[in-house]
Amino acid sequence: DTAVSQTPKYLVTQMGNDKSIKCEQNLGHDTMYWYKQDSKKFLKIMFSYNNKELIINETVPNRFSPKSPDKAHLNLHINSLELGDSAVYFCASSQEALAGGRNTGELFFGEGSRLTVL
Amino acid sequence: GDSVTQMEGPVTLSEEAFLTINCTYTATGYPSLFWYVQYPGEGLQLLLKATKADDKGSNKGFEATYRKETTSFHLEKGSVQVSDSAVYFCALSDYWVRTGNQFYFGTGTSLTVIP
Repeated sequence: DTAVSQTPKYLVTQMGNDKSIKCEQNLGHDTMYWYKQDSKKFLKIMFSYNNKELIINETVPNRFSPKSPDKAHLNLHINSLELGDSAVYFCASSQEALAGGRNTGELFFGEGSRLTVL
Repeated sequence: GDSVTQMEGPVTLSEEAFLTINCTYTATGYPSLFWYVQYPGEGLQLLLKATKADDKGSNKGFEATYRKETTSFHLEKGSVQVSDSAVYFCALSDYWVRTGNQFYFGTGTSLTVIP
């Protein structure tokens, strides 16, 4: 079983459209994340969400919105797509594994969803 | 705030050469440190980690030691193979009571190993 799965893997769409990418994790983790990776491989955190709080990176346009129907899912909705939204989007999850008040747990990534906006 | 700085790439090495990818960090707390690897067309996967000072993480011949005094976590491998060609990311995690685990990534270093 895939630990973190996201769909679709590829998405090609026109400017101005609205699209969603789904993410599910079967690891029982507490926190889920969305990252954007640009053509230079730079990873940018977009959102993180646990059962307490949604943290939004202030640089993310409000056209992007995460939706979490339950602890195992964190979907990404994008409205009014723009050319600059073309990228690979990664979902990830982690479990709080605390030792002395510090996190020792790692991040588990999905395989990515490549979005191309024409 | 927390941040990670790693060596700019791309790096090109011949097979069996020694590899070092430098990584330094800034953190307000006492973070855990990670190296992730991304093979072409795939997601990121954990390569190794260290959760406290002087710990050494190792996997697949790669090693990195958590150096608190120099705030560094350099990745090394004694003899690289063509199959090691990938992008390598240094990362740290901090835990916050309100928001849970937060991870901070470096910019990634692309490695190409030629036969």
